[in-house]
Amino acid sequence: QQQVKQSPQSLIVQKGGIPIINCAYENTAFDYFPWYQQFPGKGPALLIAIRPDVSEKKEGRFTISFNKSAKQFSLHIMDSQPGDSATYFCAAKAGGGTSYGKLTFGQGTILTVHP
Amino acid sequence: DTAVSQTPKYLVTQMGNDKSIKCEQNLGHDTMYWYKQDSKKFLKIMFSYNNKELIINETVPNRFSPKSPDKAHLNLHINSLELGDSAVYFCASSGGREVRYEQYFGPGTRLTVT
Repeated sequence: QQQVKQSPQSLIVQKGGIPIINCAYENTAFDYFPWYQQFPGKGPALLIAIRPDVSEKKEGRFTISFNKSAKQFSLHIMDSQPGDSATYFCAAKAGGGTSYGKLTFGQGTILTVHP
Repeated sequence: DTAVSQTPKYLVTQMGNDKSIKCEQNLGHDTMYWYKQDSKKFLKIMFSYNNKELIINETVPNRFSPKSPDKAHLNLHINSLELGDSAVYFCASSGGREVRYEQYFGPGTRLTVT
């Protein structure tokens, strides 16, 4: 019940394309859903996050769509650039509004954006 | 300014040795974490400390012992290293004033056990 399932494992798009990465969860106690971006040799960097009381959040070229009833959420990258090539992780956290609570991560998606 | 820092960045050691990884955060956060990323890049939490108190302890072998001397530091000591301990270990912290549950990760420590 703690799992977060992420797909696809890898994704290749052309510059300007809109890659979409999907995640699904089972645990209804999850109340915070961040996406992380990781470049080779670096730590995961927080990209954008959403709470289940909203259906969409946009920050720059990155948009999260959230479907509470389906227990699914997805990341869309508008006008993708070669510099967006990285591994993307979705995650989910339970624990209310406290400052702590373990993140359960998806398996990761390796995104390649060709020039 | 480095927010979450870890030392060393690389650690190569032999089976059976004992090693430590150090983590420091200058974000003023009150919660720190250790995550393990395996060869398939899967990230899994190991431990979490809130105000120096252990609050999350996943099913990790007791050869792994975290220690938090103060809110800004969380170290990880590993005894009797095994080949399967080879991975990248990430420290993270959370508890900022604005969004208390946002977690920020360090650059990682790549541990190789030979």
